[in-house]
Amino acid sequence: DIQLTQFPSSLSASVGDSVTITCRASQRISTFLNWYQQKPGKAPKLLIFGASSVQTGVPSGFSGSGSGTDFTLTISSLQPEDFATYYCQQGYATPHSFGQGTKLEL
Amino acid sequence: EVQLVESGGGLVQPGGSLRLSCAASEFTVSSNYMTWVRQAPGQGLEWVSILFSGGNTYYSDSVKGRFTISRDDSENKLYLQMNSLRSDDTAVYYCAATPAGPFYYFYYLAVWGRGTTVTVSS
Repeated sequence: DIQLTQFPSSLSASVGDSVTITCRASQRISTFLNWYQQKPGKAPKLLIFGASSVQTGVPSGFSGSGSGTDFTLTISSLQPEDFATYYCQQGYATPHSFGQGTKLEL
Repeated sequence: EVQLVESGGGLVQPGGSLRLSCAASEFTVSSNYMTWVRQAPGQGLEWVSILFSGGNTYYSDSVKGRFTISRDDSENKLYLQMNSLRSDDTAVYYCAATPAGPFYYFYYLAVWGRGTTVTVSS
């Protein structure tokens, strides 16, 4: 099975900052990498698919990059509503595993 | 509006069974890839199972042989039959969908339900 490791596990930032979250796969997965945002008590929300394609309706401050084993999610100019937990997920092979999550805190 | 609504969660004793349902609105379950994801209290997301539009199914090792994913096309519903439940199956269970489209092969989960809570305890 493919393991996804996210770092950091938690991150403190301020409104207006730019932050980057990294997701590393245990084997090469091309660009089969998706990113989600989850707020407490809510279902996850798709942000990025295919490593870099922004889902319709997602604010322009979110971007993704990477290929192979190393991927990043960048949030530029943090807004108050961006403080949440972020997960990566691979769609390269079943089980379509998730990373352990990165909690972005104010 | 495209919507998924889960139901069927509850309190069950270890070794018991439950069947979760996921009802779809403005969305055809049989035409899309449907996935169950769970989240234990205070923990991260765990992928559980997928049902492809063609009927193939896959499971995580943690539920293989105990859980069965299926759908009822006439009712436009997805199901998760859970048998031999254990305490570590306690979680919120979400159904989610990969819509049919040009990028479906990334298996991204674009539509999610709100989840249903399963508690396994004596």
